[in-house]
Amino acid sequence: EIVLTQSPGTLSLSPGERATLSCRASQSLSGTHLFWYQQKPGQTPRVLIYGASTRATGIPDRFSGSGSGTDFTLTISRLEPEDFAVYYCQQSTTFGGGTKVEIK
Amino acid sequence: EVQLVQSGGGLVQPGGSLRLSCAASGFTFNDYWMTWVRQAPGKGLEWLANINRDGSVINYVGSVKGRFTISRDNAKNSVYLQMNSLRVEDTAVYYCTRDDGSSLFFHWGQGTLATVSS
Repeated sequence: EIVLTQSPGTLSLSPGERATLSCRASQSLSGTHLFWYQQKPGQTPRVLIYGASTRATGIPDRFSGSGSGTDFTLTISRLEPEDFAVYYCQQSTTFGGGTKVEIK
Repeated sequence: EVQLVQSGGGLVQPGGSLRLSCAASGFTFNDYWMTWVRQAPGKGLEWLANINRDGSVINYVGSVKGRFTISRDNAKNSVYLQMNSLRVEDTAVYYCTRDDGSSLFFHWGQGTLATVSS
């Protein structure tokens, strides 16, 4: 069974700063099936990235995904106030533990 | 517009049962696998179970295998989760989702809270 480890657990940043979130897999993955979600309090998760690097419809281009094999990254180039949320990576039946991006 | 409207949930004692329902609309239901995902209070997402288009293939995560049963009724455009032998640690918000390929979930139900407590 694949384990996805997200780091850091919490990222404290200010609006306008760059956020770099990591998702590490316990074994090599097909990047085609690596997804990133954003979840805000009281809301359902929203797909940001699929296929490791393809933005979902309507997702701003400040969000980008990269990586292959066992190491994947979600980057938010300049944080907007609405980006403070929890982010999850997922592959098949496994979700990572999440990274909370909070306002510093 | 794709809609997944959930019902069921509530408070139940340990060892009890609950049945969750998810009514789908806005798409051809029997073209899609369906999945249940849960989220314990303040915790992350956990994939629970999925079911293929005609209900002939079902998969469960180990922690619910033998206790939870996923099913679907394509005539009613609905998917269900029967939860038996509930434990305190099953307390969570449960979401039904549409599988848009390789367990990619663009569409989620609104979630329903199941609380297991004495």
